[in-house]
Amino acid sequence: AQSVTQLDSHVSVSEGTPVLLRCNYSSSYSPSLFWYVQHPNKGLQLLLKYTSAATLVKGINGFEAEFKKSETSFHLTKPSAHMSDAAEYFCVVSGNTGNQFYFGTGTSLTVIP
Amino acid sequence: ETGVTQTPRHLVMGMTNKKSLKCEQHLGHNAMYWYKQSAKKPLELMFVYSLEERVENNSVPSRFSPECPNSSHLFLHLHTLQPEDSALYLCASSQALFLTGNTIYFGEGSWLTVV
Repeated sequence: AQSVTQLDSHVSVSEGTPVLLRCNYSSSYSPSLFWYVQHPNKGLQLLLKYTSAATLVKGINGFEAEFKKSETSFHLTKPSAHMSDAAEYFCVVSGNTGNQFYFGTGTSLTVIP
Repeated sequence: ETGVTQTPRHLVMGMTNKKSLKCEQHLGHNAMYWYKQSAKKPLELMFVYSLEERVENNSVPSRFSPECPNSSHLFLHLHTLQPEDSALYLCASSQALFLTGNTIYFGEGSWLTVV
């Protein structure tokens, strides 16, 4: 069975400081992992995805995530937060057959000027 | 702008009304999805279609009726809804089902308020 846990429901950072959003997953198979961002009153936008290639994945807007199998983690990072990064972030794991997607409960990121 | 377009973006309806949400994808995908996003709750999968065939119905009440006339269009017909059905309804599509590395792409959502 697959599941995903986002360890923080809310993260607050100052503009210009690093961002770390944590995600742990559980999967019986080699998973595909995703991060999505949702700005207020918008749909979910794909930030990046891991599908068993390089373990360090680069996404849009300067975000990246590292797949660590030994720690079953897929944390999202960004070196320097921007005000426009304030949004809800979702970590997602898919089943091995590619037809099931398991969403985390989301992490709300606040960026303080 | 995403490759998945949803209309209307906002809808207010009474409990006795009948309305529909529309979704169109321009990505050439074969699978389409309806999700419900309520405040303080995880994203809920409602329906999955693959090549216009419904492959999943997650115990959704019959007051929600999906329709997929072709692989580019997906509708969600609404009738006799309850106030607790007020939520953001998200349409999504993916290249196919049962595909390793399958990725879903979302529309902007339709905000539904039932009064």
